[in-house]
Amino acid sequence: EAGVAQSPRYKIIEKRQSVAFWCNPISGHATLYWYQQILGQGPKLLIQFQNNGVVDDSQLPKDRFSAERLKGVDSTLKIQPAKLEDSAVYLCASSLTVRTEAFFGQGTRLTVV
Amino acid sequence: TQLLEQSPQFLSIQEGENLTVYCNSSSVFSSLQWYRQEPGEGPVLLVTVVTGGEVKKLKRLTFQFGDARKDSSLHITAAQPGDTGLYLCAGGVLGSNTGKLIFGQGTTLQVKP
Repeated sequence: EAGVAQSPRYKIIEKRQSVAFWCNPISGHATLYWYQQILGQGPKLLIQFQNNGVVDDSQLPKDRFSAERLKGVDSTLKIQPAKLEDSAVYLCASSLTVRTEAFFGQGTRLTVV
Repeated sequence: TQLLEQSPQFLSIQEGENLTVYCNSSSVFSSLQWYRQEPGEGPVLLVTVVTGGEVKKLKRLTFQFGDARKDSSLHITAAQPGDTGLYLCAGGVLGSNTGKLIFGQGTTLQVKP
């Protein structure tokens, strides 16, 4: 069974530029999560989707971050404009339901210079 | 705000030694999960404990949930180099209907051959 796919694996951008990350969850998984993991910290939930609806975006900096899951499958996370403090690994995860095990992708390492 | 603090943050030991990692909070959690994350990879779930006082064993790993469901420990017996990685605990937010997790900052374990 294929796991959670994320791209790109690495991205380096200058501050104030925009960037987008893509996630393809495990087939059939209704719940999709985007986490931000800053070096030396644990993952922090940015946004959670149930199918194509948002169920939790309380920690998403909405002035610069946006995410969508239009057809309830793939998802994109965008940052515009990026700040230095956005340097982190962005992890996508998916699960069958909110109560079952979440499987994580390898993440996208973003460096903002 | 619910927080989980892990200790120690870093641990470097020789192969064959035993170790314990702690995960503490002043808040009650509905469940407690332990993950292991290797460099360049996403976290992988090791175990979920849900009942206060619960103990689960996974080969050389023993996980315990505190009686009050505010803390947990991970004990590794006879550590091996393959145990090297970042160990994360994550607490299920009490009362959440979205399965929300709060992650600790992680414990980096290095096991030297």
